[in-house]
Amino acid sequence: DTGVSQDPRHKITKRGQNVTFRCDPISEHNRLYWYRQTLGQGPEFLTYFQNEAQLEKSRLLSDRFSAERPKGSFSTLEIQRTEQGDSAMYLCASSLLSGSPYNEQFFGPGTRLTVL
Amino acid sequence: AQSVTQLGSHVSVSEGALVLLRCNYSSSVPPYLFWYVQYPNQGLQLLLKYTTGATLVKGINGFEAEFKKSETSFHLTKPSAHMSDAAEYFCAVSNRGGSYIPTFGRGTSLIVHP
Repeated sequence: DTGVSQDPRHKITKRGQNVTFRCDPISEHNRLYWYRQTLGQGPEFLTYFQNEAQLEKSRLLSDRFSAERPKGSFSTLEIQRTEQGDSAMYLCASSLLSGSPYNEQFFGPGTRLTVL
Repeated sequence: AQSVTQLGSHVSVSEGALVLLRCNYSSSVPPYLFWYVQYPNQGLQLLLKYTTGATLVKGINGFEAEFKKSETSFHLTKPSAHMSDAAEYFCAVSNRGGSYIPTFGRGTSLIVHP
């Protein structure tokens, strides 16, 4: 049983470049979440998908950010024209929407982005 | 709107001592409450959660937390700290139903001295 995986684990880029991150959720999970975590802060919600539909986006998700989950399995998060303020850990989580009261989210190890 | 306040960005204890990490929440409706642990360069792992029922919740690694509605608190405790408990701990609150999107506190770094 594999958990949530993210690739790459680390990314260093120059300001103005585009970057793309990938998240592979636990195979049967139909919900997928993206979070951003900066130093000394807790994770902040960016967006989430139920199957392939993007159901909610945070105000933190500027127009330079785009996320997809084309077949309801893996997801990508792209940041265009990166800025130094984008430097953070990007976390992915997945859950199984079911009839239970709470759908636990399982987190991946994160992708650490450094923008120079 | 919901929010979480974690008192103390760092807590330092000796090995074998009581661990107490404080969390207060604000929510307009009865929330779900969580504690997560994060080890360096790793994702978050759920320690325990309160959804309904018994207000004293037991989690993994000997941790427990008590939901006190009157105090809007959900403090995390462990009777005896171990060196391996050194990590970042996050308290979180989420709505019941819908998106289940948690709002996290800023975290408390637990330091365990030998």
